[in-house]
Amino acid sequence: AQSVTQLDSHVSVSEGTPVLLRCNYSSSYSPSLFWYVQHPNKGLQLLLKYTSAATLVKGINGFEAEFKKSETSFHLTKPSAHMSDAAEYFCVVSGSARQLTFGSGTQLTVLP
Amino acid sequence: NAGVTQTPKFQVLKTGQSMTLQCAQDMNHNSMYWYRQDPGMGLRLIYYSASEGTTDKGEVPNGYNVSRLNKREFSLRLESAAPSQTSVYFCASSEDWDFQETQYFGPGTRLLVL
Repeated sequence: AQSVTQLDSHVSVSEGTPVLLRCNYSSSYSPSLFWYVQHPNKGLQLLLKYTSAATLVKGINGFEAEFKKSETSFHLTKPSAHMSDAAEYFCVVSGSARQLTFGSGTQLTVLP
Repeated sequence: NAGVTQTPKFQVLKTGQSMTLQCAQDMNHNSMYWYRQDPGMGLRLIYYSASEGTTDKGEVPNGYNVSRLNKREFSLRLESAAPSQTSVYFCASSEDWDFQETQYFGPGTRLLVL
């Protein structure tokens, strides 16, 4: 069985400050982990993915995430938020079932 | 490349009506998926097609049927719509049915069942 918990349903940051979106996962198999972003009324776009290579994964638009097996975490970070980062972010796990399990999402608001 | 396209973008149905949501991809992917997105619940898998000619149930298949028409197209049918099927529906595709594969999503179909 696999599951994903996104620890914050809403996060607000000021433009230019760091972003941290938290994700914990559970999987009985060595998982693949993904972060997707969804802008209003749009489909989901892949930000980055972890597939058992380097534990620090760099994605698009300056985002990165670190896979920590001991903490079963895959938190998403960005050093400096931009107004265009305002969106909903989904942490996703994929394991032996070869199906994606989505977290419930974190809504990121960027304040001017 | 258009990627994954979905039609219609928005639909209103009355309870008991039927409709088919269409999805097509031009990336030559083998696997395709249908999800529904409800507020506060992330996306849940309805059905998937690991390869052309095969379909399987996902997490929430009740009330839906699918057809993998060819390698490009994967449709979702609601035979008798219910208000509980009000949702946003996303189609996705991936190169293969493997847990490391990236899934590419369409723009979604917003369905309201009255």
